[in-house]
Amino acid sequence: DGGITQSPKYLFRKEGQNVTLSCEQNLNHDAMYWYRQDPGQGLRLIYYSQIVNDFQKGDIAEGYSVSREKKESFPLTVTSAQKNPTAFYLCASSIREAGSYEQYFGPGTRLTVT
Amino acid sequence: EDKVVQSPLSLVVHEGDTVTLNCSYEVTNFRSLLWYKQEKKAPTFLFMLTSSGIEKKSGRLSSILDKKELFSILNITATQTGDSAIYLCAVEAGTASKLTFGTGTRLQVTL
Repeated sequence: DGGITQSPKYLFRKEGQNVTLSCEQNLNHDAMYWYRQDPGQGLRLIYYSQIVNDFQKGDIAEGYSVSREKKESFPLTVTSAQKNPTAFYLCASSIREAGSYEQYFGPGTRLTVT
Repeated sequence: EDKVVQSPLSLVVHEGDTVTLNCSYEVTNFRSLLWYKQEKKAPTFLFMLTSSGIEKKSGRLSSILDKKELFSILNITATQTGDSAIYLCAVEAGTASKLTFGTGTRLQVTL
């Protein structure tokens, strides 16, 4: 079965702690993305990576970090510098070619920081 | 800065009604416009539109793009309670295959 997996589904952390969200895909997609979704705000791009060992900041990268050491994995770390980390986090992937292709989404991780 | 605006923000209709959801955009180097349906978790892909005036259809859902006026509509005919969801519009622009999303339209279909 091809797809994108995110773990865990729900995550609870105390303020001041870093936390890493997992994203794995077996679709052989080159590009991977992290989005944050808050109520009434749609999806906002945090970081994206078009190829292994390379990634770029999205619109709201402050307080987050990523790595792309393997094609199939793109973990996101929410650091203590992120002022409002409680949100629903979605990972996506897509083929990176000349044409336009849709992004496929994982099931998401709901992070609650208290 | 790329911008995507959806309207209305939310909508409540009765089963059997027809609805039209709107998406307008202002982006640099437009490549495509995509519609997604989000029920509980992961958004699922509905349509990708790249050319003006060509309707894409899937069952009771259809969508069309107007690249001159910079908008798209998503139509759902004979709505069912299973159509209740958030409908997201996203635009791909530039060279980096990034999507800019609108805030979504929350559709509720009641019996």
